[in-house]
Amino acid sequence: KNEVEQSPQNLTAQEGEFITINCSYSVGISALHWLQQHPGGGIVSLFMLSSGKKKHGRLIATINIQEKHSSLHITASHPRDSAVYICAVRGYGQNFVFGPGTRLSVLP
Amino acid sequence: DSGVTQTPKHLITATGQRVTLRCSPRSGDLSVYWYQQSLDQGLQFLIQYYNGEERAKGNILERFSAQQFPDLHSELNLSSLELGDSALYFCASSVGVTDSYEQYFGPGTRLTVT
Repeated sequence: KNEVEQSPQNLTAQEGEFITINCSYSVGISALHWLQQHPGGGIVSLFMLSSGKKKHGRLIATINIQEKHSSLHITASHPRDSAVYICAVRGYGQNFVFGPGTRLSVLP
Repeated sequence: DSGVTQTPKHLITATGQRVTLRCSPRSGDLSVYWYQQSLDQGLQFLIQYYNGEERAKGNILERFSAQQFPDLHSELNLSSLELGDSALYFCASSVGVTDSYEQYFGPGTRLTVT
């Protein structure tokens, strides 16, 4: 079993839909990160979470430490949200482990 | 533009060779992280430096080494290159040493080993 799993692997949505991407991990962590990788390859850090919930614009990220689970929500999705979304955890040994990514396509 | 620069953008070299990738962090950032992204293994953390000192080590091969200089730029040295080292290499920088600080990613260096 991989240390970090994401679902779904691929997601196609219509513009305006509410989107949820899930991340589950199996190790103890000090923090969880959500990254966005654009089609051109550039990576942007969206959130760092160690507990609770964070919101930035139309993006919301939550984490449940007990259940070892995090979700990334996108409200009112737009074609410019099309990207690969990657979950990463940082263990207490300071190593980062990345999930396989969720490829999102938002159609106009 | 994240403010993090990486050179070169592309690099094509042969097996057995050695290359150096360079990263300049955002002004004021003291931490530099190096990551490798290959098609078969996805993103992997290689190493982190903070203010010139190594702070965390990930899946970095013995053939690879890195350092951070007094002006805070960092170099990743890859030697005895193999076909499997072909990948995108990203660096990222942040102000502090812990995860409390947002990481800003550079555009990456695409390495092709032939």
